[in-house]
Amino acid sequence: KAGVTQTPRYLIKTRGQQVTLSCSPISGHRSVSWYQQTPGQGLQFLFEYFSETQRNKGNFPGRFSGRQFSNSRSEMNVSTLELGDSALYLCASSMTGRGAEAFFGQGTRLTVV
Amino acid sequence: AQSVTQLDSQVPVFEEAPVELRCNYSSSVSVYLFWYVQYPNQGLQLLLKYLSGSTLVKGINGFEAEFNKSQTSFHLRKPSVHISDTAEYFCAVSERNAGNMLTFGGGTRLMVKP
Repeated sequence: KAGVTQTPRYLIKTRGQQVTLSCSPISGHRSVSWYQQTPGQGLQFLFEYFSETQRNKGNFPGRFSGRQFSNSRSEMNVSTLELGDSALYLCASSMTGRGAEAFFGQGTRLTVV
Repeated sequence: AQSVTQLDSQVPVFEEAPVELRCNYSSSVSVYLFWYVQYPNQGLQLLLKYLSGSTLVKGINGFEAEFNKSQTSFHLRKPSVHISDTAEYFCAVSERNAGNMLTFGGGTRLMVKP
């Protein structure tokens, strides 16, 4: 069974640009969540999508957005990149049950220069 | 809202010694509790979770954790660590009625020395 796949693994962007990250969940998983990991702030929740609807949202500015497609694949977009957006972005997929295990991808390392 | 505090940012320990990584949480509602491990340049992997029932939970790689409701703690233990246990460990909670959103602690770096 394939795990959670995130593409690309590494990305370098210039301040002011926008970026789109992709996440393919484990087959059968309908919940996809995104997290930002930085040395200073640790792991912070961005948003969760379930059946193409945003179910939860973290405390991030509107420059961060996401969506989920009918096949459960998800994308997150960051517009007008800032230096502080440099981070490891992790995607996790879960089954529908409450308390379900979150399976994480290896992440996309975004560097903003 | 909930919060998670991992009391130690780094824990050095010698190989084959026991270890305890501490985690305390705060929440106004009932939560599920988790421990995840992250190896360098990797995503997170679930070690164990507490949903309900027995307060002593056993996980993978010989780890176990005990849920203490009165102290709002969920400490992780292993009786004998190996070099390969060197990694970052994260405690996390999710509200019972709020989907799969996880709130993480700041992490504890376990450094196992030969």
